[in-house]
Amino acid sequence: DGGITQSPKYLFRKEGQNVTLSCEQNLNHDAMYWYRQDPGQGLRLIYYSQIVNDFQKGDIAEGYSVSREKKESFPLTVTSAQKNPTAFYLCASSRIRDSLMGELFFGEGSRLTVL
Amino acid sequence: AQTVTQSQPEMSVQEAETVTLSCTYDTSENNYYLFWYKQPPSRQMILVIRQEAYKQQNATENRFSVNFQKAAKSFSLKISDSQLGDTAMYFCAFLNYGQNFVFGPGTRLSVLP
Repeated sequence: DGGITQSPKYLFRKEGQNVTLSCEQNLNHDAMYWYRQDPGQGLRLIYYSQIVNDFQKGDIAEGYSVSREKKESFPLTVTSAQKNPTAFYLCASSRIRDSLMGELFFGEGSRLTVL
Repeated sequence: AQTVTQSQPEMSVQEAETVTLSCTYDTSENNYYLFWYKQPPSRQMILVIRQEAYKQQNATENRFSVNFQKAAKSFSLKISDSQLGDTAMYFCAFLNYGQNFVFGPGTRLSVLP
């Protein structure tokens, strides 16, 4: 089955540690995205990538980093510089970012808790 | 910048009844897309329905339909014959060409038996 796989589903981190969230898709989609979800705030865009080896900052990129070495993979690193990292993180993909038909397909999410 | 507002943080409806979720948005663009996404307790977000702004006819998908009022910048979702499986967070989203999705804060819908 085609889809987006995020791992781990739950992650605990001590303050000062970097953590990396994995996102893999087998939908052959060009564009991939990372969103942060907090209660009452909807989804906020962290980073997105339209092609391999290229990515752009979203609205809340500070304290995060990404890479796009393969079309299928778009890992997100939450660095120690992120002041409030406890949140639910969603990875998504779409066929073409600039298409108005660019429906987003989502993974199941990763919940990060900083202890 | 575009914004999306969902004024109902939480709603409930009895099974088999009809419920309407509200969404308003702000944009100066003329051509764009609007979406309703559903996030059930299992957390995987899925697309419920999509509307192209240049189409006057309201989109319908089985029990889900929208009331798109372009002049009023309103995009409400009607769920008919509510089922327990409709219990979820519902997000309204806006997409303009060359831009990224803008999501509303969500409405938590509970379908009561």
